[in-house]
Parts: sequence; C-alpha cells; structure tokens
Amino acid sequence: KNEVEQSPQNLTAQEGEFITINCSYSVGISALHWLQQHPGGGIVSLFMLSSGKKKHGRLIATINIQEKHSSLHITASHPRDSAVYICAPPISGSARQLTFGSGTQLTVLP
Amino acid sequence: DGGITQSPKYLFRKEGQNVTLSCEQNLNHDAMYWYRQDPGQGLRLIYYSQIVNDFQKGDIAEGYSVSREKKESFPLTVTSAQKNPTAFYLCASSGLWDRVNYNEQFFGPGTRLTVL
Repeated sequence: KNEVEQSPQNLTAQEGEFITINCSYSVGISALHWLQQHPGGGIVSLFMLSSGKKKHGRLIATINIQEKHSSLHITASHPRDSAVYICAPPISGSARQLTFGSGTQLTVLP
Repeated sequence: DGGITQSPKYLFRKEGQNVTLSCEQNLNHDAMYWYRQDPGQGLRLIYYSQIVNDFQKGDIAEGYSVSREKKESFPLTVTSAQKNPTAFYLCASSGLWDRVNYNEQFFGPGTRLTVL
C-alpha cells in the first residue's frame, strides 16, 4: 500500500495569497491525482500528472517522481477555492487503484 | 453532457434494512469504483469493477455487495451485515489505461447514507 502524507492538514489564507499544499508518498509511482472536494461532498479531478508541471488557470501542480513528492499551488487565492484538496497516488503495483491522503482543508477568507 | 450520476443525494434507512445506492455513467468508461468516506478520513475503496460481469473487493468490502450487469451501471448494496453503514458514498469511473491520462478517475456527487 502507498502511504500518503499531506501537509498542512488545515490552512487558512487571506484572499489573494499564494497557497502551497504538499504531498509525500512512500512507493514509487508513474502518475498522481490531485482532487478537490467541495463542502457539499462532490469531488472534482484537478490534475493527473506523471512528471514536471501542469497548469490549469490559477492552479499549478508539480511532481518529482524521484523524491516521491508533489505540490499543488494556487495563485491569487479566492474564497471560492475553499475546499478540501486530496492527493491520490496509485496503489503500488496497480494502474487503477488509488490511495487517498486525508486531505488539506483550505479556507480562503475575503 | 457526459458524467456520473448518483441517486439519491441523501438516504435514510432503519437499522437492519438493506439499501441499494445507484451509480450510472455515460462516459463509456470500463472501470467503476465505490468509495466510502467518513468524517475527517480519506476515501476507502469498497469494490471496483474493470469490466462488465466482473468485480473485485477493495479494502472494506465486508457488509457490501455489488453487481455489474451493464457497462453504465454499478449499484452498491449496503447490507444489514455492515456494522457502521452511516457514511458518505462516492462512485467513480475511469477509462482504459493510457500513457496520457493514466486512468484519471471521475467522481459522482455522492450519496450521504444515514442509518437510524
């Protein structure tokens, strides 16, 4: 099983701040998922990345496969970014099954 | 629009009753998954299915059952044998593995089950 650690567990920021959420995992992987869970519970896939960096709007995800570490950055944060952000690498030896971190609760204050 | 639907959003049942949660997808995905989420915890895999008429147990399958008679549908039954069924249940699906998308999973809106 792939052990996943996310930090911080809780993060409160002021609108406009640059946000960084970190994810470390124990087993080498080929790609990693970043997910966003809204207060109502629905989950949205943000990124699936295997190397380097991906950018969607104000969100940037980076991954270092050798160091078993990934980061999610939010530029110019906004209250609507308030959500739980979940890192999910695959289970070791599986291309389909994921291991989920417990998530980072982000609150962006206006 | 393509997507995954789960119904109902909220479900209440009496203790001892079986209940079936619906999950339908029109993304033409081969694989489907059921997860359980408890407050403050990460998602845990209950069952998954890679093709029609086949499914495998996940980490916490005890007290649950599934079927995969159609590609689009993967219903989950929470049986009376499940000791703590009150939880948030999420269904997901993914396509065939490929080098670009690496089985990116897409999630439904979830069903919040409360057993009274």
